[in-house]
Amino acid sequence: EPEVTQTPSHQVTQMGQEVILRCVPISNHLYFYWYRQILGQKVEFLVSFYNNEISEKSEIFDDQFSVERPDGSNFTLKIRSTKLEDSAMYFCASSTAGQSPYNEQFFGPGTRLTVL
Amino acid sequence: AQTVTQSQPEMSVQEAETVTLSCTYDTSESNYYLFWYKQPPSRQMILVIRQEAYKQQNATENRFSVNFQKAAKSFSLKISDSQLGDTAMYFCAFREGYDMRFGAGTRLTVKP
Repeated sequence: EPEVTQTPSHQVTQMGQEVILRCVPISNHLYFYWYRQILGQKVEFLVSFYNNEISEKSEIFDDQFSVERPDGSNFTLKIRSTKLEDSAMYFCASSTAGQSPYNEQFFGPGTRLTVL
Repeated sequence: AQTVTQSQPEMSVQEAETVTLSCTYDTSESNYYLFWYKQPPSRQMILVIRQEAYKQQNATENRFSVNFQKAAKSFSLKISDSQLGDTAMYFCAFREGYDMRFGAGTRLTVKP
């Protein structure tokens, strides 16, 4: 069964460093998302991406964040200068074509980012 | 802004029994979508069940069913005949546009 995959599973970085979190969505999906979950808190939406552009983003997704689909398979989240409060689990998700919000989002296993 | 509230941080149930997880939400929209996601320990979130707000009939998926009360903005999940594999975090989620808003989650433990 096709799955969303994410690498690495755990990333440790120093404050101020840039990190890139990678995701491989399910191959026939066209909508892509990033979420984060700070330890002990709820899952929060960051950004949605379709047709090589951001569809929607939350207030969390500031200028420090960017997303990219550099090739036909990967979907990346870049944090330019990490802060301690960026430490969280980051989930990638994808869904099939179609405008309906009813379409199921399939989640990856997450990347745990630790900023020291 | 839409908010989703899960008032039960933790719950437990005996195997084969029934348990209900509660969820309330706040929105001014009339058409939206509600979901329950399950997150087993150290595994990714998977969709359990979903409901469209304009449908009055409650969604059902095998042992999982919802009680959707639109006027009360309530969307509870009932798990019948609980199994050990149901042990997980359960997140209620609301979606109107592209983004999904999650509740804080309920940690469910099924005891043998």
